[in-house]
Amino acid sequence: DVKVTQSSRYLVKRTGEKVFLECVQDMDHENMFWYRQDPGLGLRLIYFSYDVKMKEKGDIPEGYSVSREKKERFSLILESASTNQTSMYLCASSSIAGALFSIQYFGAGTRLSVL
Amino acid sequence: TQLLEQSPQFLSIQEGENLTVYCNSSSVFSSLQWYRQEPGEGPVLLVTVVTGGEVKKLKRLTFQFGDARKDSSLHITAAQPGDTGLYLCAGEPGGGADGLTFGKGTHLIIQP
Repeated sequence: DVKVTQSSRYLVKRTGEKVFLECVQDMDHENMFWYRQDPGLGLRLIYFSYDVKMKEKGDIPEGYSVSREKKERFSLILESASTNQTSMYLCASSSIAGALFSIQYFGAGTRLSVL
Repeated sequence: TQLLEQSPQFLSIQEGENLTVYCNSSSVFSSLQWYRQEPGEGPVLLVTVVTGGEVKKLKRLTFQFGDARKDSSLHITAAQPGDTGLYLCAGEPGGGADGLTFGKGTHLIIQP
């Protein structure tokens, strides 16, 4: 089975702290994604990466950065956490199935609270 | 940004009833996917539809992709308490590496 592992299920941080959210996938997928999920807003794409050291902005990149030094690992960084970044963060990876569409596999999520 | 409107947002019905969830957009998607998410977990893929007019069945769940590839529906027959969860539709603008555009989800509760 495909496994996408997020390092923490729950995190509590203080305003202004630098926060690292880690994600590892074991299926040799080229593509990896970070989303945040908020009530009433659904899942929104923050950043994605289609190769090592490559990154692309999603719909809401402000306040975030990412790092992809190895194919299996994609990190989301909050340089200076703020209360409006309290959310559920979901990591996903994908393969190309027959070049027609991609299948995304999600981790269990990290629920971050910024106080 | 392409938008997906999902309805209803909340639905609570009795076991054994039928229901339909809708996912609509003004944009064309190369594929549309349905996910189910349980509390405290990430979304899990149920099905992907690619061809306009395509119908896929997964036991009591029937998924349809509109002819113009702008909308989709999920129909559940004889709902059971185990169907309870958050159902998400997600569209892929172009095949490959781009992220998905998600609807806001339908919270479904099936009461015994």
